[in-house]
Amino acid sequence: TQLLEQSPQFLSIQEGENLTVYCNSSSVFSSLQWYRQEPGEGPVLLVTVVTGGEVKKLKRLTFQFGDARKDSSLHITAAQPGDTGLYLCAGRRGAQKLVFGQGTRLTINP
Amino acid sequence: SQTIHQWPATLVQPVGSPLSLECTVEGTSNPNLYWYRQAAGRGLQLLFYSVGIGQISSEVPQNLSASRPQDRQFILSSKKLLLSDSGFYLCAWSPGSYNQPQHFGDGTRLSIL
Repeated sequence: TQLLEQSPQFLSIQEGENLTVYCNSSSVFSSLQWYRQEPGEGPVLLVTVVTGGEVKKLKRLTFQFGDARKDSSLHITAAQPGDTGLYLCAGRRGAQKLVFGQGTRLTINP
Repeated sequence: SQTIHQWPATLVQPVGSPLSLECTVEGTSNPNLYWYRQAAGRGLQLLFYSVGIGQISSEVPQNLSASRPQDRQFILSSKKLLLSDSGFYLCAWSPGSYNQPQHFGDGTRLSIL
């Protein structure tokens, strides 16, 4: 059973379009993190959200933590080919451990 | 600034051979350290984590073991590799305080023949 469900698993869109990726769970997390990973490299942290309802922006990326701290979304405006990658959400359970979703493979076509 | 190093970047090993992957962190002290395995293009599975020297917590039963001989060194080992041990192995660290993000190395691609 996947504790964190990401959707969609695969997404291919044209440059300039908008998109939203979802990360859902039935469990409450003390915080949630989003990472982007390029092939053959480790994930790179994009953002951490901690408070229910929190919204954070990173240039064209907008991250939101659900009010109940069970879900999160990542919205990209005017996607660019450089946004291509594997997007992973990870929820914190306990003091040290993260639980990862299965990832969303995003491809932005020029 | 803090940096994390993993090596080797790629490794091809025969079935039944031993394994040693090393991870070191620089620029911080008393970090939490983690080993993950990632299936191709998918999410990460936590294998081991450590909150201090000699302290190892195992998340899943498997053919692997981990050790932390020094504060900023984390080693993933196996005595006899199986075909199913193939994968992408990632080391990560986080500050020892609560609710801190994890930062990843560049990973080791392990292929078992």
